[in-house]
Order: sequence, then C-alpha cells, then structure tokens
Amino acid sequence: EAGVTQFPSHSVIEKGQTVTLRCDPISGHDNLYWYRRVMGKEIKFLLHFVKESKQDESGMPNNRFLAERTGGTYSTLKVQPAELEDSGVYFCASSQKTSGETYEQYFGPGTRLTVT
Amino acid sequence: DAKTTQPNSMESNEEEPVHLPCNHSTISGTDYIHWYRQLPSQGPEYVIHGLTSNVNNRMASLAIAEDRKSSTLILHRATLRDAAVYYCILSYSGAGSYQLTFGKGTKLSVIP
Repeated sequence: EAGVTQFPSHSVIEKGQTVTLRCDPISGHDNLYWYRRVMGKEIKFLLHFVKESKQDESGMPNNRFLAERTGGTYSTLKVQPAELEDSGVYFCASSQKTSGETYEQYFGPGTRLTVT
Repeated sequence: DAKTTQPNSMESNEEEPVHLPCNHSTISGTDYIHWYRQLPSQGPEYVIHGLTSNVNNRMASLAIAEDRKSSTLILHRATLRDAAVYYCILSYSGAGSYQLTFGKGTKLSVIP
C-alpha cells in the first residue's frame, strides 16, 4: 500500500511569488491534515479536512494560505504571496475515518519550502 | 490544550532497553496518549497510543501510570534505526478535529 506522498520535495521561491504544495493521502483515508515546522520551532497544525470539507482550519496563519481538497482525494496548499517567514517544512498526514476515539495519522515526507 | 513534559534528550546503548518518560499532569479523562517519532529528514511516524491500560505492539510498549499523569514509552531493544525525536502527545478533539499538538520531544541517541 502506498503511503502519503507530497510534491514537490523541495521548493525554492522568491518573496512575493506563489507556491502550491500537493498531498496525496493514503487511498480511502477520509481525514487529511496539514502541518508545518518553521525554522527552530515545533511542528504546528494548520488544518484538517474530512473528505472535501474543512473540519478545522484554526491553525492557518493568515489569508495568504489557501487549502483545497478536490473531490475528497488529493489536497493542495497554496501560499500567495510567499513571505520569508513561510520557509519551513510542510507535512501532510492522513487517517482513516475515525470512530471518534482513536486514530493513527500517517505522515508524508514533507515539502521543504525556502523563500528567499 | 493538555500539555506534556519530556526530557530534551536521552542516550541508550544499542540492543539495550530504553524507557522514555512523559509527564502529563493535566490530562483529562478522555485524552488518549499518543507517541510519534521523527527520524532525520522524514515525517513523523506513529508508534503507539493508549488510554488507561498498558499497550504493546510490534514497535514498542506503552506503560501508563494508574493516575494517568505520566506514561513511559519502552523500546525493548534499541537499534540504530531507533535514533529519532520521540513525541508524547495528548489527543485533542475540539470541535471534532483530531489535530496533534507536538512539543519539543525527546531526542534519542543510540550508541553502537
């Protein structure tokens, strides 16, 4: 079974440009999460999709970030315009439909974003 | 959010058991205790989780204190591949979300 995949693995852009990150969850996983680790900080939650709906976007830092999940399959995270402080590693994770009690989140390898 | 406290770093000799502690004195009755680890240059990886009883799986064991205010992740025989940052995380289910709140974790070094 294929794991969570993310594309690209590394992106270098200039301040003010736009970047789109993609995540393909494990097939059949309804839940999809985005996290990020910016330099020197801890991994932080960004948002959570259940199928195509945003369940929780409390971690999104500002309106320069836009996440979508077309048809409840893959997800994209767009940063427009990118700022220097957006540099870091962006992780995607997925999990099966939860029973409301327990779950395991499977993480992708991350996309390293560098804004210069 | 419920908080956890872990030592910044620990060392272990290869093929010896490792006990990674975690304090979570403000845990609520419905919080699950999760452990994830992150190997260098990889995404976090699920290790184990539990609620009240001790748990075992192929990767590790989780020992939970009777009052649930602390827990210990046990790696029975450390290998070089177990060198990673280990995160003890309490589940958060506000508004139906299951976000994981990562702290600084414990960096485990395994000595050959």
